[in-house]
Amino acid sequence: DGGITQSPKYLFRKEGQNVTLSCEQNLNHDAMYWYRQDPGQGLRLIYYSQIVNDFQKGDIAEGYSVSREKKESFPLTVTSAQKNPTAFYLCASSIGRGVNTEAFFGQGTRLTVV
Amino acid sequence: GENVEQHPSTLSVQEGDSAVIKCTYSDSASNYFPWYKQELGKRPQLIIDIRSNVGEKKDQRIAVTLNKTAKHFSLHITETQPEDSAVYFCAAKTGANNLFFGTGTRLTVIP
Repeated sequence: DGGITQSPKYLFRKEGQNVTLSCEQNLNHDAMYWYRQDPGQGLRLIYYSQIVNDFQKGDIAEGYSVSREKKESFPLTVTSAQKNPTAFYLCASSIGRGVNTEAFFGQGTRLTVV
Repeated sequence: GENVEQHPSTLSVQEGDSAVIKCTYSDSASNYFPWYKQELGKRPQLIIDIRSNVGEKKDQRIAVTLNKTAKHFSLHITETQPEDSAVYFCAAKTGANNLFFGTGTRLTVIP
């Protein structure tokens, strides 16, 4: 079954703790993205990666970190430096540079700081 | 970077009427414009897209128009139905392959 999978669906974190959100795809896509969704603010780009071992900051990268050691995996770490981490996080992937095709989204992870 | 603005933020229409959502973008190099529908608690899913060499595209009750000169594109839904109720996002993809989204429009179709 092909697709993009995020886990967990719900995540609770204590203040001051780092937490890592998982994103895996078996679509053989080169490009992967992380977005944050807050009410009334749409989807804001956190980080993106066009190829393995390379990634770039998006509009709101502060307090987040990523890695891209494998083509199919793009985990996002929300660090304690992120002041307002409670949000809905969406991972997406697309074929890659130069090809205008759709981005496929995971089902999202809702992170709540308690 | 690219800046995508979307209007209106909320839209209510009677069942059977048409709905129009408009977006503008800032980067003239953007060349791909998808529209996503997100139902409550679900992931965004592509409903229609248009490329910069095309002015209009239609798929059943949904159509998208693109004006490259003015840097704006619109989503048109005709004969709306209650199941069209959702949040709709426009997006623009730049030459660097980054996808920038608008802030979303919450469409409510009143039966």
